[in-house]
Amino acid sequence: NAGVTQTPKFQVLKTGQSMTLQCAQDMNHNSMYWYRQDPGMGLRLIYYSASEGTTDKGEVPNGYNVSRLNKREFSLRLESAAPSQTSVYFCASSEARVDGYTFGSGTRLTVV
Amino acid sequence: TQLLEQSPQFLSIQEGENLTVYCNSSSVFSSLQWYRQEPGEGPVLLVTVVTGGEVKKLKRLTFQFGDARKDSSLHITAAQPGDTGLYLCAGGTDSWGKFQFGAGTQVVVTP
Repeated sequence: NAGVTQTPKFQVLKTGQSMTLQCAQDMNHNSMYWYRQDPGMGLRLIYYSASEGTTDKGEVPNGYNVSRLNKREFSLRLESAAPSQTSVYFCASSEARVDGYTFGSGTRLTVV
Repeated sequence: TQLLEQSPQFLSIQEGENLTVYCNSSSVFSSLQWYRQEPGEGPVLLVTVVTGGEVKKLKRLTFQFGDARKDSSLHITAAQPGDTGLYLCAGGTDSWGKFQFGAGTQVVVTP
């Protein structure tokens, strides 16, 4: 099925470890996003990429880095994981403002 | 700081009842979207509204965008257990697609 694919679905890290969350879309969308979702706080934008070759910070970028590898792929890296980064992470893509986002199914990350 | 306030936070109703979820802000949005999210999945877009006063219907769901484009409501008629989920509103101000999300309203419909 067409859409946004995220890997892994679940991950447990120890404090200080690093990891990369992968995201790929097959809808030829220009824009891609990384959000985190925490109880009672909704979805908060971490980083976004308006088009291939560009990235920019969102609302909560500290502790994260991103790479827009090509038009299809947008990865999120945690260099030194902290317990405050325990969350569910969603990747999304969109083509135009009124079309809305297509979300992946999420990565549930626990940092202990 | 939550730009978009959703109310209520939680709603539990019986099958066949009606319900309304609200999304309010002090900011003006160029467009507003509603999503539904089920456990373990990402949000799925239900509708986008762009014009003040606009009303859109999707089967038993009715969406309204306020005249001043600062608020929106989602009304479900004769709710069914399949309507259970977290309903999220998202307001857009940028020209190319960044949206602010509300914290969501958890709706539970019991048979």
